[in-house]
Amino acid sequence: SQKIEQNSEALNIQEGKTATLTCNYTNYSPAYLQWYRQDPGRGPVFLLLIRENEKEKRKERLKVTFDTTLKQSLFHITASQPADSATYLCASQDSNGNNRLAFGKGNQVVVIP
Amino acid sequence: GAGVSQTPSNKVTEKGKYVELRCDPISGHTALYWYRQSLGQGPEFLIYFQGTGAADDSGLPNDRFFAVRPEGSVSTLKIQRTERGDSAVYLCASSLIPPIAGDVYNEQFFGPGTRLTVL
Repeated sequence: SQKIEQNSEALNIQEGKTATLTCNYTNYSPAYLQWYRQDPGRGPVFLLLIRENEKEKRKERLKVTFDTTLKQSLFHITASQPADSATYLCASQDSNGNNRLAFGKGNQVVVIP
Repeated sequence: GAGVSQTPSNKVTEKGKYVELRCDPISGHTALYWYRQSLGQGPEFLIYFQGTGAADDSGLPNDRFFAVRPEGSVSTLKIQRTERGDSAVYLCASSLIPPIAGDVYNEQFFGPGTRLTVL
């Protein structure tokens, strides 16, 4: 069955360093992958979308890659700041329908001042 | 403009009771989605509306769950005979137009969720 997986361990990182998160998918080929940020008590907020024919996409201090050979997306936060502390979710088009998103479990990032 | 709003923000109920959760999407958004998020998990798709009709309800876990969107705007998720396993955060999202197969994804805007606790 289709799976989208994130290592659910929390990532503690020193302010100013680059945080890198991994999202792996199995048993399907999504047309795109997305990354969301979720703060406690709030709904997810869309950050970036990358299509299968795009290798890399950037938005300010964020960078996302999509490797269809490895079936993996990497999410980077460069020059991390304490305000970047949150849970980051990977999501993709669900193989059962284009109108539904399939999410990973999310990765908590803690940026230490 | 206001984002997606959900009421109540918290709901505590007893096992076996009936609950209704409300979602007000962003004005003009034709597509509306319900997701359920358990602790330590990502959101799980429940149902998707295009206008007034449920275009995809295959994520509803069983027939105790039902959702409506009678006028194509506000939606209500209804849960009958609640069970402790229904405890979760119920998220609503809306998007301007539904994604078309093979086309660019249309961003979904999420509400803050309703935290349901079934005792």
